Amino acid sequence: NAGVTQTPKFQVLKTGQSMTLQCAQDMNHEYMSWYRQDPGMGLRLIHYSVGAGITDQGEVPNGYNVSRSTTEDFPLRLLSAAPSQTSVYFCASRSWTGESEQYFGPGTRLTVT
Amino acid sequence: KNEVEQSPQNLTAQEGEFITINCSYSVGISALHWLQQHPGGGIVSLFMLSSGKKKHGRLIATINIQEKHSSLHITASHPRDSAVYICAVRSWRGGSEKLVFGKGTKLTVNP
Repeated sequence: NAGVTQTPKFQVLKTGQSMTLQCAQDMNHEYMSWYRQDPGMGLRLIHYSVGAGITDQGEVPNGYNVSRSTTEDFPLRLLSAAPSQTSVYFCASRSWTGESEQYFGPGTRLTVT
Repeated sequence: KNEVEQSPQNLTAQEGEFITINCSYSVGISALHWLQQHPGGGIVSLFMLSSGKKKHGRLIATINIQEKHSSLHITASHPRDSAVYICAVRSWRGGSEKLVFGKGTKLTVNP
């Protein structure tokens, strides 16, 4: 199993540009989520999904869109990038049932200038 | 006040020392995770606990549900243990289970 994969690893955007961060998992996990990690703060939930076709907002959803057309993929879209979105982004997944372990992708470091 | 508090924020130790990192939380939880993040690296789950104690090699994690407290212990610490250790609790909110994270403890182990 590849686990949770994310692309790209690094990205530089200009203010106002849009882009999609890709996330995929091959463990058939129902629950997928996106977090951002900023210095001095804990990881914060952006959006999450409990299954294909179902998404919901987390703690800091503004400026981001998600969709979940398949169990495997959960892309995060930045609609119009702003410097405040400069961060490290992590995708994560786990099974919805019981005491399931949490798996994280390797992260995407995004800089918006 | 943050729902998940870790102490200390920073910890420096000499190789071989016994290390304890603490996590206190103020919400009801279904599970608690201890995570490890090396500099510039990804996040790896070390433990998931809902009660009692777990051990993997030199790492031990305990949780006291009544006191809403968990500890991560590292015995015979080594420079390769240098990393940020993050406590995260799984809590029901808004109709779904979500992770709430502490800010992390940065551990440096000197040779």
